[in-house]
Amino acid sequence: EIVLTQSPGTLSLSPGERATLSCRASQTVSNSYLAWHQQKPGQAPRLLIYHVSTRATGIPDRFSGSGSGTDFTLTISRLAPEDFAVYYCQQYSTSSLTFGGGTKVEIK
Amino acid sequence: EVRLVESGGGLVQPGGSLRLSCVGSGFTFSSSWMHWVRQAPGKGLVWVSRVKSDGTYTNYADSVKGRFTISRDNAKNTLYLQMNSLRAEDTAMYYCAGGDSGYQIFWGQGTLVTVSS
Repeated sequence: EIVLTQSPGTLSLSPGERATLSCRASQTVSNSYLAWHQQKPGQAPRLLIYHVSTRATGIPDRFSGSGSGTDFTLTISRLAPEDFAVYYCQQYSTSSLTFGGGTKVEIK
Repeated sequence: EVRLVESGGGLVQPGGSLRLSCVGSGFTFSSSWMHWVRQAPGKGLVWVSRVKSDGTYTNYADSVKGRFTISRDNAKNTLYLQMNSLRAEDTAMYYCAGGDSGYQIFWGQGTLVTVSS
């Protein structure tokens, strides 16, 4: 099973700032099979990005994903008020799908 | 509009059983892989199981293998999760999600399962 470690656990930023979230895998995530999901309190998750860098339908272009192998990054170029949430990376390169533990982006 | 509506959650004693259902609409259910993902209170997301669009392939997280069974009825646009031998650590919000074989494109609002005596 691939273990995904997200850092930092919490990111305290102000609206308009840039957010950089990290996701590190315990082994290579092949075929760029990595996604990012956003979850707000009391809500279901929402797909943001799949295949490392492809934005899902309706996701604004301030969200971008990058990386390869074992190191991946989600970048939010300028935080909007609605972006304060928990973000999860997820790999699907093995039959046992796994999520990272999440990074909470909170208002500073 | 895509909708996934889960039902069947509730309070059950350890060792008991429960069957969750998820009805989909607004998309081609019969062409979509479907997943169950759970989230314990205050914790992160954990993938549980998935089923191929035609029901011919399923797989499970090790933590539920042999106890949970995923299935679907494409004529009814419905996904199921039969949960047996439930344990306290199975307590969680259970989300139905659909889309790709690997990642979840759309999510339901969840149904809460509590395992307690």
